[in-house]
Amino acid sequence: EPEVTQTPSHQVTQMGQEVILHCVPISNHLYFYWYRQILGQKVEFLVSFYNNEISEKSEIFDDQFSVERPDGSNFTLKIRSTKLEDSAMYFCASGSGTSGPHNEQFFGPGTRLTVL
Amino acid sequence: GENVEQHPSTLSVQEGDSAVIKCTYSDSASNYFPWYKQELGKRPQLIIDIRSNVGEKKDQRIAVTLNKTAKHFSLHITETQPEDSAVYFCAPLSGGYNKLIFGAGTRLAVHP
Repeated sequence: EPEVTQTPSHQVTQMGQEVILHCVPISNHLYFYWYRQILGQKVEFLVSFYNNEISEKSEIFDDQFSVERPDGSNFTLKIRSTKLEDSAMYFCASGSGTSGPHNEQFFGPGTRLTVL
Repeated sequence: GENVEQHPSTLSVQEGDSAVIKCTYSDSASNYFPWYKQELGKRPQLIIDIRSNVGEKKDQRIAVTLNKTAKHFSLHITETQPEDSAVYFCAPLSGGYNKLIFGAGTRLAVHP
C-alpha cells in the first residue's frame, strides 16, 4: 500500500539556521499539507497546497515558513531562521482529491525537528 | 475560529469493554469527520471517517456516529484489546477549506 514518506526522520539544528524538511506524497494525490505536533500536544495545521499554490495557511505559518513542490514528487517545508519554539514533530500529509478537498488525508511518519 | 473539543481526555477500560470518545465542533460548514489513532512516536493513522450525508458508519469493532444538528460525532470501539491503547484524535475538516482541525486527543488505555 503506498505511503507518504518523509526525510530526515530527525533533524537537529542551531537557532537561526535554515532547515528544509522533505516529503514524498502518495503519487496520484493532488492535495498536500504540513502539520506540526509539539511534544505531548495536539496536531496543528500549518499549510495546505493544491495546484501549485498555497490554499490556506495558519497563523503559525508566518514569513519564516515556505513550501515548494520543486518537481512532480517532492513537497518541501522550509523554515528560514529557526527558533526554539519551532521544535516539534512535523508531519506531511496528502489527499487524493477524488471528492474535492473533502477526502482522506494520509500522514507521513514525521520529521522530529530539534532546535538548540 | 474553529473550535474542537474531545472528551474524555483519558479513558481506562478493561479488555473486552467498550470505549466511547466524543468530539464537538463549532464549524457548521464541516462535512467530513475523521478519527485518527496515534501510537507513541508514530504518525496519526486514519481509522474511520464519516461524511455529513450519513449518520453512522461501522468497520468491524469500530464505529462512528454523527449528529450534525448538535455538532458532535463519536468514536465507538467494542471488544477493546490491549493493542487499541493509543491516543485518539478527532479532526473535523474545516468547512472553509481542506484543513483538519484536531482535538486535544483522548488517551485510551486498555488493561488485560
